[in-house]
Amino acid sequence: GESVGLHLPTLSVQEGDNSIINCAYSNSASDYFIWYKQESGKGPQFIIDIRSNMDKRQGQRVTVLLNKTVKHLSLQIAATQPGDSAVYFCADRVGYNTDKLIFGTGTRLQVFP
Amino acid sequence: EPEVTQTPSHQVTQMGQEVILRCVPISNHLYFYWYRQILGQKVEFLVSFYNNEISEKSEIFDDQFSVERPDGSNFTLKIRSTKLEDSAMYFCASSEAGDDSSYEQYFGPGTRLTVT
Repeated sequence: GESVGLHLPTLSVQEGDNSIINCAYSNSASDYFIWYKQESGKGPQFIIDIRSNMDKRQGQRVTVLLNKTVKHLSLQIAATQPGDSAVYFCADRVGYNTDKLIFGTGTRLQVFP
Repeated sequence: EPEVTQTPSHQVTQMGQEVILRCVPISNHLYFYWYRQILGQKVEFLVSFYNNEISEKSEIFDDQFSVERPDGSNFTLKIRSTKLEDSAMYFCASSEAGDDSSYEQYFGPGTRLTVT
Protein backbone atom coordinates (compact mmCIF):
# COMPACT_ATOMS: atom_id res chain seq x y z
CA GLY A 1 0.00 0.00 0.00
CA GLU A 2 0.96 3.62 -0.06
CA SER A 3 3.00 4.79 2.86
CA VAL A 4 5.66 7.33 3.48
CA GLY A 5 7.49 6.87 6.72
CA LEU A 6 10.29 8.47 8.66
CA HIS A 7 13.04 6.52 10.35
CA LEU A 8 13.63 8.74 13.38
CA PRO A 9 10.95 10.57 15.32
CA THR A 10 13.43 13.00 16.96
CA LEU A 11 16.84 14.23 15.87
CA SER A 12 18.99 16.36 18.14
CA VAL A 13 21.95 18.24 16.70
CA GLN A 14 24.33 20.90 17.85
CA GLU A 15 24.20 24.29 16.24
CA GLY A 16 26.58 24.43 13.31
CA ASP A 17 26.50 20.72 12.65
CA ASN A 18 24.90 19.18 9.59
CA SER A 19 21.56 17.42 9.94
CA ILE A 20 20.29 14.49 7.95
CA ILE A 21 16.64 13.56 8.07
CA ASN A 22 15.62 10.34 6.40
CA CYS A 23 12.42 9.12 4.82
CA ALA A 24 11.34 5.85 3.24
CA TYR A 25 8.56 5.45 0.75
CA SER A 26 6.88 2.30 -0.38
CA ASN A 27 5.38 2.98 -3.78
CA SER A 28 7.74 2.65 -6.71
CA ALA A 29 5.31 4.72 -8.78
CA SER A 30 5.98 7.80 -6.65
CA ASP A 31 7.29 10.43 -9.03
CA TYR A 32 7.55 13.57 -6.96
CA PHE A 33 8.83 14.19 -3.47
CA ILE A 34 8.74 17.22 -1.28
CA TRP A 35 10.07 18.25 2.10
CA TYR A 36 8.12 20.50 4.42
CA LYS A 37 9.06 22.18 7.66
CA GLN A 38 6.38 22.75 10.25
CA GLU A 39 6.93 25.02 13.21
CA SER A 40 4.63 24.87 16.17
CA GLY A 41 1.22 26.32 15.39
CA LYS A 42 2.00 26.95 11.75
CA GLY A 43 1.27 25.29 8.45
CA PRO A 44 3.80 23.19 6.53
CA GLN A 45 6.38 25.35 4.85
CA PHE A 46 7.86 24.24 1.53
CA ILE A 47 11.58 23.55 1.71
CA ILE A 48 12.61 21.70 -1.40
CA ASP A 49 11.28 19.18 -3.88
CA ILE A 50 12.69 16.62 -6.26
CA ARG A 51 11.31 14.68 -9.14
CA SER A 52 11.93 11.02 -9.70
CA ASN A 53 14.17 11.64 -12.70
CA MET A 54 16.72 13.27 -10.40
CA ASP A 55 19.02 11.93 -7.68
CA LYS A 56 19.97 15.14 -6.00
CA ARG A 57 18.78 18.67 -5.73
CA GLN A 58 20.30 21.54 -3.80
CA GLY A 59 18.80 24.62 -2.31
CA GLN A 60 20.00 27.18 0.13
CA ARG A 61 21.69 25.16 2.90
CA VAL A 62 19.53 22.17 2.03
CA THR A 63 20.08 19.17 -0.19
CA VAL A 64 17.62 16.43 -1.01
CA LEU A 65 18.88 13.03 -2.11
CA LEU A 66 16.70 10.44 -3.74
CA ASN A 67 17.62 6.78 -3.98
CA LYS A 68 14.95 5.07 -6.03
CA THR A 69 16.62 1.68 -5.76
CA VAL A 70 15.92 1.47 -2.04
CA LYS A 71 13.03 3.95 -2.05
CA HIS A 72 14.79 6.34 0.26
CA LEU A 73 14.78 10.09 0.51
CA SER A 74 16.90 12.31 2.71
CA LEU A 75 17.08 15.97 3.61
CA GLN A 76 20.45 17.39 4.52
CA ILE A 77 20.65 20.71 6.30
CA ALA A 78 24.06 22.31 6.38
CA ALA A 79 25.26 24.33 9.36
CA THR A 80 22.06 23.76 11.31
CA GLN A 81 20.75 26.82 13.11
CA PRO A 82 18.33 27.21 16.04
CA GLY A 83 15.74 28.49 13.58
CA ASP A 84 15.81 25.11 11.89
CA SER A 85 14.17 23.53 14.93
CA ALA A 86 10.83 22.19 13.72
CA VAL A 87 9.09 19.04 12.55
CA TYR A 88 10.12 17.96 9.08
CA PHE A 89 7.80 16.01 6.83
CA CYS A 90 8.48 14.26 3.61
CA ALA A 91 5.60 13.78 1.23
CA ASP A 92 5.23 12.10 -2.11
CA ARG A 93 2.92 12.04 -5.06
CA VAL A 94 2.14 8.71 -6.62
CA GLY A 95 2.02 9.29 -10.34
CA TYR A 96 1.09 12.16 -12.61
CA ASN A 97 -2.65 11.53 -12.50
CA THR A 98 -3.07 12.43 -8.86
CA ASP A 99 -2.92 15.70 -7.00
CA LYS A 100 -2.65 14.44 -3.48
CA LEU A 101 0.49 14.42 -1.42
CA ILE A 102 0.98 11.59 1.03
CA PHE A 103 2.74 12.77 4.14
CA GLY A 104 5.01 10.89 6.50
CA THR A 105 4.71 11.05 10.27
CA GLY A 106 7.39 13.70 10.72
CA THR A 107 10.79 14.03 12.40
CA ARG A 108 11.32 16.59 15.09
CA LEU A 109 14.64 18.38 14.71
CA GLN A 110 16.01 19.93 17.89
CA VAL A 111 19.01 22.22 17.62
CA PHE A 112 21.09 22.82 20.72
CA PRO A 113 23.52 25.71 21.16
CA GLU B 1 6.00 37.20 -0.66
CA PRO B 2 2.49 35.97 -1.51
CA GLU B 3 1.00 33.51 0.91
CA VAL B 4 -2.09 31.44 1.54
CA THR B 5 -4.29 32.87 4.27
CA GLN B 6 -6.97 31.16 6.30
CA THR B 7 -9.75 32.30 8.59
CA PRO B 8 -10.60 31.83 11.34
CA SER B 9 -7.45 30.68 13.09
CA HIS B 10 -9.54 28.80 15.64
CA GLN B 11 -13.14 27.67 15.39
CA VAL B 12 -15.05 26.07 18.23
CA THR B 13 -18.37 24.47 17.39
CA GLN B 14 -20.84 22.08 18.89
CA MET B 15 -21.34 18.62 17.50
CA GLY B 16 -23.92 18.62 14.73
CA GLN B 17 -23.34 22.21 13.73
CA GLU B 18 -22.18 23.36 10.32
CA VAL B 19 -18.85 25.10 9.92
CA ILE B 20 -17.26 26.89 7.01
CA LEU B 21 -13.51 27.26 6.88
CA ARG B 22 -12.19 29.94 4.60
CA CYS B 23 -9.04 30.25 2.58
CA VAL B 24 -7.56 32.77 0.20
CA PRO B 25 -5.09 30.96 -2.06
CA ILE B 26 -2.15 32.66 -3.73
CA SER B 27 -3.61 34.83 -6.45
CA ASN B 28 -2.12 33.28 -9.59
CA HIS B 29 -2.57 29.71 -8.40
CA LEU B 30 -5.04 27.47 -10.13
CA TYR B 31 -5.10 24.35 -7.97
CA PHE B 32 -6.48 24.32 -4.46
CA TYR B 33 -6.38 21.73 -1.73
CA TRP B 34 -7.60 20.96 1.74
CA TYR B 35 -5.67 18.79 4.16
CA ARG B 36 -6.22 18.07 7.80
CA GLN B 37 -3.97 17.12 10.67
CA ILE B 38 -5.37 15.52 13.76
CA LEU B 39 -3.26 16.42 16.77
CA GLY B 40 -0.03 14.44 16.79
CA GLN B 41 -0.78 12.67 13.52
CA LYS B 42 0.14 12.96 9.87
CA VAL B 43 -1.13 15.58 7.51
CA GLU B 44 -3.88 13.91 5.47
CA PHE B 45 -5.19 14.86 2.06
CA LEU B 46 -8.89 15.68 1.84
CA VAL B 47 -9.62 17.15 -1.55
CA SER B 48 -8.20 18.94 -4.56
CA PHE B 49 -10.05 21.47 -6.69
CA TYR B 50 -9.39 22.81 -10.14
CA ASN B 51 -11.44 24.68 -12.70
CA ASN B 52 -14.38 24.94 -10.33
CA GLU B 53 -14.70 21.28 -9.65
CA ILE B 54 -13.28 18.60 -7.42
CA SER B 55 -10.44 16.81 -9.16
CA GLU B 56 -9.70 14.30 -6.45
CA LYS B 57 -10.92 13.44 -2.96
CA SER B 58 -9.95 11.02 -0.26
CA GLU B 59 -12.10 8.56 1.62
CA ILE B 60 -12.23 11.04 4.49
CA PHE B 61 -14.04 13.53 2.28
CA ASP B 62 -17.53 12.06 2.60
CA ASP B 63 -20.94 13.63 2.00
CA GLN B 64 -20.57 15.81 5.08
CA PHE B 65 -17.82 17.77 3.36
CA SER B 66 -18.06 20.17 0.47
CA VAL B 67 -15.82 22.75 -1.13
CA GLU B 68 -16.60 25.87 -3.06
CA ARG B 69 -14.90 28.73 -4.80
CA PRO B 70 -17.61 31.33 -4.33
CA ASP B 71 -15.66 34.14 -5.97
CA GLY B 72 -12.31 34.84 -7.55
CA SER B 73 -10.36 34.79 -4.35
CA ASN B 74 -11.92 32.56 -1.69
CA PHE B 75 -11.91 28.80 -1.36
CA THR B 76 -14.07 27.28 1.35
CA LEU B 77 -14.47 23.96 3.11
CA LYS B 78 -17.86 23.24 4.63
CA ILE B 79 -18.60 20.52 7.12
CA ARG B 80 -22.37 20.12 7.32
CA SER B 81 -22.80 18.31 10.63
CA THR B 82 -19.63 18.23 12.62
CA LYS B 83 -18.57 15.23 14.65
CA LEU B 84 -16.14 15.04 17.53
CA GLU B 85 -13.64 13.28 15.28
CA ASP B 86 -13.61 16.25 12.90
CA SER B 87 -11.55 18.12 15.49
CA ALA B 88 -8.26 18.80 13.75
CA MET B 89 -6.11 21.43 12.13
CA TYR B 90 -7.35 22.11 8.61
CA PHE B 91 -4.85 23.37 6.09
CA CYS B 92 -5.59 24.97 2.78
CA ALA B 93 -2.94 24.80 0.07
CA SER B 94 -2.58 26.03 -3.46
CA SER B 95 -0.29 25.41 -6.38
CA GLU B 96 0.33 27.27 -9.58
CA ALA B 97 -0.17 24.20 -11.73
CA GLY B 98 -0.89 20.53 -11.43
CA ASP B 99 1.78 19.43 -13.82
CA ASP B 100 5.51 19.33 -13.41
CA SER B 101 6.07 22.98 -14.17
CA SER B 102 4.95 24.45 -10.88
CA TYR B 103 3.55 21.77 -8.70
CA GLU B 104 4.75 22.95 -5.30
CA GLN B 105 1.85 23.18 -2.88
CA TYR B 106 2.00 26.15 -0.55
CA PHE B 107 0.15 25.81 2.72
CA GLY B 108 -1.75 28.30 4.80
CA PRO B 109 -1.35 28.63 8.58
CA GLY B 110 -4.35 26.42 9.26
CA THR B 111 -7.65 26.64 11.10
CA ARG B 112 -7.90 24.72 14.32
CA LEU B 113 -11.38 23.21 14.52
CA THR B 114 -12.56 22.06 17.92
CA VAL B 115 -15.85 20.17 18.06
CA THR B 116 -17.37 19.88 21.52
